[in-house]
Amino acid sequence: GEDVEQSLFLSVREGDSSVINCTYTDSSSTYLYWYKQEPGAGLQLLTYIFSNMDMKQDQRLTVLLNKKDKHLSLRIADTQTGDSAIYFCAESQGEKLTFGTGTRLTIIP
Amino acid sequence: DTAVSQTPKYLVTQMGNDKSIKCEQNLGHDTMYWYKQDSKKFLKIMFSYNNKELIINETVPNRFSPKSPDKAHLNLHINSLELGDSAVYFCASSRRLDTQYFGPGTRLTVL
Repeated sequence: GEDVEQSLFLSVREGDSSVINCTYTDSSSTYLYWYKQEPGAGLQLLTYIFSNMDMKQDQRLTVLLNKKDKHLSLRIADTQTGDSAIYFCAESQGEKLTFGTGTRLTIIP
Repeated sequence: DTAVSQTPKYLVTQMGNDKSIKCEQNLGHDTMYWYKQDSKKFLKIMFSYNNKELIINETVPNRFSPKSPDKAHLNLHINSLELGDSAVYFCASSRRLDTQYFGPGTRLTVL
């Protein structure tokens, strides 16, 4: 993740909104992704956004993209205990994905 | 109806041994990948194959040799295992330049 940065930790109260932020460096990335990794599990694709979009909403998930600042965010509304996981943003660079360092989301009851 | 599967899920072995990890996808994708996730959860691509041809090789030691017998399979063979090879290895697949779908991972522990 030397090119894609995220905060390592985020704690949120159950029922509140979580906002996970990501900054990337490659302005030519076509797609930007959010993946979720639960403990001991693989990577689950949550959502993605095409680089010519500013926002994408999918149920409780809202992705915002600011291309000028190369900033991507994931908002999870009404955060639940099942949302506890590590969240990775990733940018597509040609054939490969470059991942961020991951943000560990902890839910406070 | 597993999309991307890997075997084994866990692999514990001694330093110096040779081991293989297998990956299969039933999504009809033409591109497959291997990623390594270290103990700090940092994920980095190792290899990518498109239609059985190597298209990405990211400064990985040549002890690691991927093999793609057909479009649906990408295996990873590791020679002379070292302690630093301990990690979780993820396979993924996609249509070329499209969204990647990941397998459940193989946790390799080298003693």
